Amino acid sequence: QQPVQSPQAVILREGEDAVINCSSSKALYSVHWYRQKHGEAPVFLMILLKGGEQKGHEKISASFNEKKQQSSLYLTASQLSYSGTYFCGTERGRDNYGQNFVFGPGTRLSVLP
Amino acid sequence: DAGVIQSPRHEVTEMGQEVTLRCKPISGHDYLFWYRQTMMRGLELLIYFNNNVPIDDSGMPEDRFSAKMPNASFSTLKIQPSEPRDSAVYFCASSWEAFYGYTFGSGTRLTVV
Repeated sequence: QQPVQSPQAVILREGEDAVINCSSSKALYSVHWYRQKHGEAPVFLMILLKGGEQKGHEKISASFNEKKQQSSLYLTASQLSYSGTYFCGTERGRDNYGQNFVFGPGTRLSVLP
Repeated sequence: DAGVIQSPRHEVTEMGQEVTLRCKPISGHDYLFWYRQTMMRGLELLIYFNNNVPIDDSGMPEDRFSAKMPNASFSTLKIQPSEPRDSAVYFCASSWEAFYGYTFGSGTRLTVV
């Protein structure tokens, strides 16, 4: 079952902050985050495992609340290069990848000068 | 490392024709995934391999789709016969572990007319 991402789209000015949420109705083992620029392939940003550890990548960080089955991606002091579509991927267990891993629909982020 | 290499980048074909997409994974990655991306359905897993063996092909939409991985450095996705609804971007991705970050190839944009 596909996770829900919110918002669907967001427009920011350079230097502003944004939060993208990913939630699932099923218990999760991990959450992955990817960014895809227009016309390019998705690029892996980070993985968050069960345990709530917050991870970071440049000025992009994320948290994972396993009790609420949701993850949030935080973009701080956004740069023009942050524009793209952000996908979360949710994992429900360590076996049967095909059945247990699914990408969300994506959140389109546009950073304006 | 050259990353995951896919060919061709673009393919335009007529309905009913056979289409073959090619992928060279990153050396040392034991897992290879074929994904399809459309506006309507997002990123969908078609099939994945572990050590050249197909593990889960439940995402392959129809018998018209087939995939092979004859060795660790090469995989193909074949559609025969192709139909307009197969139009999409097809990504190949590889990873050293099933549930870790995946490196995607640049994708093949397939248009069936």
